[in-house]
Amino acid sequence: DVKVTQSSRYLVKRTGEKVFLECVQDMDHENMFWYRQDPGLGLRLIYFSYDVKMKEKGDIPEGYSVSREKKERFSLILESASTNQTSMYLCASSPGAGGTFEAFFGQGTRLTVV
Amino acid sequence: QQQVKQSPQSLIVQKGGISIINCAYENTAFDYFPWYQQFPGKGPALLIAIRPDVSEKKEGRFTISFNKSAKQFSLHIMDSQPGDSATYFCAASLNTGGFKTIFGAGTRLFVKA
Repeated sequence: DVKVTQSSRYLVKRTGEKVFLECVQDMDHENMFWYRQDPGLGLRLIYFSYDVKMKEKGDIPEGYSVSREKKERFSLILESASTNQTSMYLCASSPGAGGTFEAFFGQGTRLTVV
Repeated sequence: QQQVKQSPQSLIVQKGGISIINCAYENTAFDYFPWYQQFPGKGPALLIAIRPDVSEKKEGRFTISFNKSAKQFSLHIMDSQPGDSATYFCAASLNTGGFKTIFGAGTRLFVKA
């Protein structure tokens, strides 16, 4: 069964902290994504990666960075957490060229920055 | 800039009724249009999807209607059931080297028993 696992369901961090959100997929997918979900705004793409060590900015990359050292793992980094980064963060993966566009999501990490 | 616009924000439908959610997109380079369903506490999951060379796709009670010239597409849920109560997201994808998917704002559907 397809699985995308996010390391934490809930996180509380202090303003200014460096925060790491981890995501692992077991489907050998080429593409991985980080979204944030906010009420009324839907899912907004932060960063995505279509290959190891490759990354592309999404629509709201400011304040975030990512790392993909291995194919199965995609990390989202909040360099200096701020209260406006309080949100639900969703990781997803999808097959590469020749596969489908279908994205498989993790269960999300609800991050609160205080 | 919202590339995929979704309406309504919320929808209440009687059991057995038809639920209709609409989406519009701007970028003609999009070439895959999925709908995702999300239950509370879960990540979104693919429900049904369509390519722009097809005007309609049906899977069970779920139908996508696609109007390429108007750059609009919609989800119809026939015989809506309480178990369909969830948040629905339309989306549009394109191949930019990787497959980038842009989501609409979501519609919270509540089906009354």
